[in-house]
Amino acid sequence: DIVMTQSPDSLAVSLGERATINCKSSQSVLYNSNNKNYLAWYQQKPGQPPKLLIYWASTRESGVPDRFSGSGSGTDFTLTISSLQAEDVAVYYCQQYYSTPYTFGQGTNLEIK
Amino acid sequence: EVQLVESGGGLIQPGGSLRLSCAASTFTVSSSYMSWVRQPPGKGLEWVSVIYNSGVTYYADSVKGRFTISRDDSKNTLYLQMNSLRAEDTAVYYCARGLVVGVINYWGQGTLVTVSS
Repeated sequence: DIVMTQSPDSLAVSLGERATINCKSSQSVLYNSNNKNYLAWYQQKPGQPPKLLIYWASTRESGVPDRFSGSGSGTDFTLTISSLQAEDVAVYYCQQYYSTPYTFGQGTNLEIK
Repeated sequence: EVQLVESGGGLIQPGGSLRLSCAASTFTVSSSYMSWVRQPPGKGLEWVSVIYNSGVTYYADSVKGRFTISRDDSKNTLYLQMNSLRAEDTAVYYCARGLVVGVINYWGQGTLVTVSS
């Protein structure tokens, strides 16, 4: 199974500042035949189901604000929120869908400093 | 608007069985990649199972041999049959629809399963 490890476990950022969350996979999730990274990012607010933010490592889901961006390739990935807003307080998860089981990272709790 | 409504959760004793249902509307379950994902109270997400539009199914190692994902095309409903339940299966179970294989863009509100004596 592919193990997904996020860092940090928790993060406090001031409003308007940049937030960066890292995700590392235990093996590459880059599929060479189509040059796509099988990596997604989700946001989960308390009491709600998760919400898809990013897939293919850097493709923003429809309706997601452009302050959210994803980058990386192979085994190392980053979710960046360029200017933190109050409504961005949540837990963020990365997930690989390169192979089953489609494993999630342990989550990163993002708070306001 | 895509809607996924789970039902069937509750309190069950260890070793018991439970069947979760997920009624879908505005799209066809049989044409979609449908998954179950669970979340123990206060913990992170764990992918449980997927059924592809082809009918092929996959499971997490932790539930393989005990859980079965299926669908009823006539009812446009997804199911998760859970047998030999353990305390560690206690979680909110989410029904979910895939944007592409493995990527989930629609989630139900979840149903809580509590395994306890």
